[in-house]
Amino acid sequence: GQQLNQSPQSMFIQEGEDVSMNCTSSSIFNTWLWYKQEPGEGPVLLIALYKAGELTSNGRLTAQFGITRKDSFLNISASIPSDVGIYFCAGRETSGSRLTFGEGTQLTVNP
Amino acid sequence: NAGVMQNPRHLVRRRGQEARLRCSPVKGHSHVYWYRQLPEEGLKFMVYLQKENIIDESGMPKERFSAEFPKEGPSILRIQQVVRGDSAAYFCASSPGLLSYNEQFFGPGTRLTVL
Repeated sequence: GQQLNQSPQSMFIQEGEDVSMNCTSSSIFNTWLWYKQEPGEGPVLLIALYKAGELTSNGRLTAQFGITRKDSFLNISASIPSDVGIYFCAGRETSGSRLTFGEGTQLTVNP
Repeated sequence: NAGVMQNPRHLVRRRGQEARLRCSPVKGHSHVYWYRQLPEEGLKFMVYLQKENIIDESGMPKERFSAEFPKEGPSILRIQQVVRGDSAAYFCASSPGLLSYNEQFFGPGTRLTVL
């Protein structure tokens, strides 16, 4: 089955710093998604990417769909305390099919 | 608009009991997915259902687990004769269809604890 390697596993940063995390896959995905999960809640969709090479922003978040279709990264600029949470990448092979999730990046932002 | 609703939010069962987890998708969504999350891990796909049909159950354990999405009412994930290893958070997601931009939106999850 597909495997997603997400790194880093955790990050401890100061407020105002930029953050970068990435995912690599053993197989090709047609869609890459980035979710954020806070304690006791379900994942919330942040950004969806549908084309190789696509670069999409959502406020201070920017994500890219790698041209090989086997990787994606997420950048968060000028981090703030409410950015704290676990960020997951997820890939999907075809429309409507299951999502394969990475293991998550735990982000801690120190004020 | 209400999002995906799951209940109960927390469920405690003793070994050997049955657990029934319910999921009401976003109104108008006809596709439901169930995922399981162990502590400090990512979500793992279990089953994908449309109304009255199981489309993909390749992530579901062969025994004790079953899922349904009836014509009327919520989707149900049923775990029979629970064991301690079933303790996890179970998330339901729904989407409106199969188009490329029909993404999955997640509920708040049910946290199952097996004593």
